[in-house]
Amino acid sequence: AQRVTQPEKLLSVFKGAPVELKCNYSYSGSPELFWYVQYSRQRLQLLLRHISRESIKGFTADLNKGETSFHLKKPFAQEEDSAMYYCALRTLTGGGNKLTFGTGTQLKVEL
Amino acid sequence: DAGVIQSPRHEVTEMGQEVTLRCKPISGHNSLFWYRQTMMRGLELLIYFNNNVPIDDSGMPEDRFSAKMPNASFSTLKIQPSEPRDSAVYFCASSYDGISGNTIYFGEGSWLTVV
Repeated sequence: AQRVTQPEKLLSVFKGAPVELKCNYSYSGSPELFWYVQYSRQRLQLLLRHISRESIKGFTADLNKGETSFHLKKPFAQEEDSAMYYCALRTLTGGGNKLTFGTGTQLKVEL
Repeated sequence: DAGVIQSPRHEVTEMGQEVTLRCKPISGHNSLFWYRQTMMRGLELLIYFNNNVPIDDSGMPEDRFSAKMPNASFSTLKIQPSEPRDSAVYFCASSYDGISGNTIYFGEGSWLTVV
């Protein structure tokens, strides 16, 4: 069965410091991974996905199949990055796709 | 498009009462998901529809929970009878499963408090 693990419930960093939010997955098929962000009391929004290999708001994430990881990184944290971050794995089920989420990491950027 | 629309945004109800949450997916999307979010367990997939048919309901907690999708533009999640431990944010999401890499879009959530 598929599984997504985010080991840190809370990550606190100072403004300007590098950020790394960890995500590991287990899945026997070909993985498709995403990061979603949820700002305070708002809906989840797609931040980025591994197939796009893009950088959004300064964040990047590289899929490492050897380590089964998809860590989210940003070189310099900003105050507005404070939010809840969810790593998600898309898996094929009979009839379509579904997303399995990790338990999330709350990022707090302090001044 | 207005995005995924959920109602009510907030509901406070007494234990034992029936609760119905509603969702309108994005027009043209053929997959719909109900998720529950709590501090302890994060985001849990409750049920997933594809072309209005329930595909995976293994996340539905127990018989008190039921979900329907009578047509492509509407879905309900019902809890009867409700209990305090059902207090959570319930998110509806939709996507179009025609191609790989498609995005799942979330509604703003229904904040349920059972007292």
